[in-house]
Amino acid sequence: EVQLVESGGGLVQPGGSLRLSCAASGFSLSDHFMDWVRQAPEGGLEWVGRSRNKVNSYTTEYAASVKGRFSISRDDSKNSVYLQMNSLKTEDTAVYYCTIAASIGGYHYAMDVWGHGTTVTVSS
Amino acid sequence: DIQMTQSPSAMSASVGDRVTITCRASQGINNGLDWFQQKPGKVPKRLIYAASSLQSGVPSRFSGSGSGTEFTLTISTLQPEDFATYYCLRHNTYPLTFGGGTKVEIK
Repeated sequence: EVQLVESGGGLVQPGGSLRLSCAASGFSLSDHFMDWVRQAPEGGLEWVGRSRNKVNSYTTEYAASVKGRFSISRDDSKNSVYLQMNSLKTEDTAVYYCTIAASIGGYHYAMDVWGHGTTVTVSS
Repeated sequence: DIQMTQSPSAMSASVGDRVTITCRASQGINNGLDWFQQKPGKVPKRLIYAASSLQSGVPSRFSGSGSGTEFTLTISTLQPEDFATYYCLRHNTYPLTFGGGTKVEIK
């Protein structure tokens, strides 16, 4: 069964750091583009960033709101991806989802499979 | 950045109604738009990709249309399980951007 499981969320003070993990099972994560998506309490969905697949050298893209503060990395040996979040702000409070894209006709359609999410609360 | 305007933000409808939700892009995006459904407390689920292609396993009462700057999600005959929030996602360029969402509630 294809599954994504996030972990690492919690309460952190403004200015602090947190690293989220996303462990994949049932498939090889290295074959897929992946995106982090977040949802603030009672809010809409926001794209955070993307890591392309191994063939594309795991290159990354980020939303302007997190660029320079967040970074995505991978560990093929653990079939996992990470979101390192630094200089956290109260507006980063959200549920963070790990998602993978589906390749259809050579195009990578984002957010085909979702994890259950992990909650990050930034508060003093 | 390309902005996405989704309308309406909320609506009330009855079982059996035909429902239409629209997303407009601030500039042309070809067919780079997907539609997602999110039920309360659940993870979002893709319904439509590439503006008009039905995701595998999604009921045929859902359909998508449009190209360029205006896109539509249509539910032909609203079912009880369709009461949810719907989002469009633009993905032709970075950053990927979601519409603000449309909450479909029971009338």
